[in-house]
Amino acid sequence: GEDVEQSLFLSVREGDSSVINCTYTDSSSTYLYWYKQEPGAGLQLLTYIFSNMDMKQDQRLTVLLNKKDKHLSLRIADTQTGDSAIYFCAEKKGFQKLVFGTGTRLLVSP
Amino acid sequence: DAGVIQSPRHEVTEMGQEVTLRCKPISGHDYLFWYRQTMMRGLELLIYFNNNVPIDDSGMPEDRFSAKMPNASFSTLKIQPSEPRDSAVYFCAIKDSGANVLTFGAGSRLTVL
Repeated sequence: GEDVEQSLFLSVREGDSSVINCTYTDSSSTYLYWYKQEPGAGLQLLTYIFSNMDMKQDQRLTVLLNKKDKHLSLRIADTQTGDSAIYFCAEKKGFQKLVFGTGTRLLVSP
Repeated sequence: DAGVIQSPRHEVTEMGQEVTLRCKPISGHDYLFWYRQTMMRGLELLIYFNNNVPIDDSGMPEDRFSAKMPNASFSTLKIQPSEPRDSAVYFCAIKDSGANVLTFGAGSRLTVL
């Protein structure tokens, strides 16, 4: 497809794990990213993974990359109410351009 | 957000008015990007600069939109005349040549009535 695709909405309870999925477009993309956007704020980089890796873990965050299926996921362990935000995946196309998905709104309830 | 200052944070204007959005990286960077965020289309890349020179403006919607970068620490995005469909949040982002990540400003929310 032409677009980076994400599900629009995810709701979890505090303490559960959250998994946000993304399908990107270009198998030659070198870097894949996860950004977080809190209300009224810009995008903040959470983590990124180089295309020759399958997995990257950073504290409560785990990124899985399936290049064959062009599928990227972000797992947040022990999700907290402060994790409520919009999460964007992005792929690096060419030398400089980042193309973003539509974002997944994560709602964490107590 | 501290690396990029955008102004105004919020702007409400009437259709037909000129709008100028500003971006000031705290320090000069090799690349500067303008993105637009809407509910319908998500984040779209409008234009980006390298060393103050526009490299790719294929995302600029139409001639009503223009962007300039007179120096490494300042860029503007202008819409003239503005239309209600231009209502969106406009983000500026920066990166250095050797870096693989973008640093975003807090955005300018534009409402055109």
